[in-house]
Amino acid sequence: EIVLTQSPDFQSVTPKEKVTITCRASQSIGSSLHWYQQKPDQSPKLLIKYASQSISGVPSRFSGSGSGTDFTLTINSLEAEDAAAYYCHQTGTLPHTFGQGTKLEIK
Amino acid sequence: QVQLVESGGGVVQPGGSLRLSCAASGFNLSTHGMHWVRQAPGKGLEWVAVIWYDGSNQNYADSVKGRLTVSRDKSKNTLFLQMNRLRVEDTAVYYCAREHYTGTYWYYDLWGRGTLVTVSS
Repeated sequence: EIVLTQSPDFQSVTPKEKVTITCRASQSIGSSLHWYQQKPDQSPKLLIKYASQSISGVPSRFSGSGSGTDFTLTINSLEAEDAAAYYCHQTGTLPHTFGQGTKLEIK
Repeated sequence: QVQLVESGGGVVQPGGSLRLSCAASGFNLSTHGMHWVRQAPGKGLEWVAVIWYDGSNQNYADSVKGRLTVSRDKSKNTLFLQMNRLRVEDTAVYYCAREHYTGTYWYYDLWGRGTLVTVSS
């Protein structure tokens, strides 16, 4: 099983800050890594697919990068509505696995 | 409208059974691999199971293997998760999710809203 380790687990940030969340895979997964945002009592919402590909309707301040074992989600100019949990997710190998999550709090 | 709607959750005693449903509308389930993902209260996401687009194969997380079974009914365009020998640690919101294959990689492009399963005596 591929283990995904996110960093940090929690971050408190102010609006307009730039935020970087990292996801490290226990073995190479190419670019089969995706990022989700989840707000309380909601389903996960896809933000980035295949490490860096944007999703229609997702604000351009969200971007992704990386390949192999190291990946990054970047949120430029954070907005209050970005308060949520963020998860990385690999679909390179079954079982598909998720990172433990990063909770973003807006100050 | 393209959507997935889960149902069948509830409270069940340890050792009991429950069957979850995931009704698809606006698309044909038979053209997509379908997954179950769960989330324990206050915890992260955990992949549970997949059924291939043609129903030819299933795969399960080790934590549920032998107790949970994924299936589908083509005539009803519905996905199921039969849950037997339930444990307290199976308590979670269960989501169904549609897989999209681009020819290069897979990702989950549609999620339901989830149904809560509580295993408690």
